[in-house]
Amino acid sequence: RKEVEQDPGPFNVPEGATVAFNCTYSNSASQSFFWYRQDCRKEPKLLMSVYSSGNEDGRFTAQLNRASQYISLLIRDSKLSDSATYLCVVNDAFSGGYNKLIFGAGTRLAVHP
Amino acid sequence: NAGVTQTPKFQVLKTGQSMTLQCAQDMNHNSMYWYRQDPGMGLRLIYYSASEGTTDKGEVPNGYNVSRLNKREFSLRLESAAPSQTSVYFCASTRSWTGGLGANVLTFGAGSRLTVL
Repeated sequence: RKEVEQDPGPFNVPEGATVAFNCTYSNSASQSFFWYRQDCRKEPKLLMSVYSSGNEDGRFTAQLNRASQYISLLIRDSKLSDSATYLCVVNDAFSGGYNKLIFGAGTRLAVHP
Repeated sequence: NAGVTQTPKFQVLKTGQSMTLQCAQDMNHNSMYWYRQDPGMGLRLIYYSASEGTTDKGEVPNGYNVSRLNKREFSLRLESAAPSQTSVYFCASTRSWTGGLGANVLTFGAGSRLTVL
């Protein structure tokens, strides 16, 4: 089993739609969680951290479910500019003493007019 | 602020050739990382440097060497390139090598696309 798994997609949605991605992780001792966004042929950039209580940033909501070992990202009112690949990142910090950031392969989102 | 700068952006090598990818950050970050990204796979850690003067192997170190030249610079060297090393390489940095709010958020360079024929 991969350490961090994501549905590769693509998710094709119309503008204005709500879309949700899940990501599962295998290490129950994982410390922190992130969503990164990667545009085509660009570097990944932090979208948001995922806090235990869940958190929201504008149209984006992230949730953590430790019992089931998954995190989710919800995007409301999708925009064309949301088209990108969304990377789930899990930090097994202190495992070996460094930021062991494990990346999922990404979920591709395509928003169409 | 430039953030993390990588050079070159593109490179084509023949099997057996050597080259060095350069990376520099101007954010006074302590930790630096080299990742490779291949289609259908997550970014995989090649080497990292928790702090100036230290380097350690990551998940896929074979065929690579690194040098943490100073706090700002972290280079990746391919001694004898192989077609399996065709990939996109990203350098990244974090404020710290341990956890802590914001300390482990990665800032990436723009990437270096390497093709080995």
